[in-house]
Amino acid sequence: QSVLTQPPSVSAAPGQKVTISCSGSSSNIGNNYVSWYQQLPGTAPKLLIYDNNKRPSGIPDRFSGSKSGTSATLGITGLQTGDEADYYCGTWDSSLSALVFGGGTKLTVL
Amino acid sequence: QLQLQESGPGLVKPSETLSLTCTVSGGSISSSSYYWGWIRQPPGKGLEWIGSIYYSGSTYYNPSLKSRVTISVDTSKNQFSLKLSSVTAADTAVYYCARRAVTTSIDYWGQGTLVTVSS
Repeated sequence: QSVLTQPPSVSAAPGQKVTISCSGSSSNIGNNYVSWYQQLPGTAPKLLIYDNNKRPSGIPDRFSGSKSGTSATLGITGLQTGDEADYYCGTWDSSLSALVFGGGTKLTVL
Repeated sequence: QLQLQESGPGLVKPSETLSLTCTVSGGSISSSSYYWGWIRQPPGKGLEWIGSIYYSGSTYYNPSLKSRVTISVDTSKNQFSLKLSSVTAADTAVYYCARRAVTTSIDYWGQGTLVTVSS
């Protein structure tokens, strides 16, 4: 059971928009920065969003992040088949003194 | 470009100690802005943080693994290492070494190495 809660799967058609939610508590998302990671099949995770809503160099602006209270959201617009992957949210949990992740969301681009 | 590379045995016997080393190239492990750590992913499952170390030697461990984990750093070799004792089949996973920013985002990952616990 993950500390952060994500939907197991989401799907949408190419060109459409999808959002992935990440729910936590005041000890983690509520008081710490959230990051998002993309994991393509058979590869290491890749940082997509850091500090709630910032994109590392090279990440297209189709990817966006937001945070409100104890929840965070990853948005992906203009979906491409190459976006099919597992997506994870992560943050620090001040009560556990541990880095915690969501259980992951599998994105299918139909 | 910073690169991280894990190395170590791919097969460990139950009750023994898993040992992995991460070699950092293209940058210094002594940077004051980052932590260096380990994350694992059991086959078909999600990510689990194991722990992190600062170049000074300060360590931070996942409470659920703390009694079995030791992370150390060798700045002269630009490497850091993981030891996980008393392993069981539940410790079978892909182990990633990674660089973590102060604000907790993990911006560089190794390619990962599969460690199987089996007799």
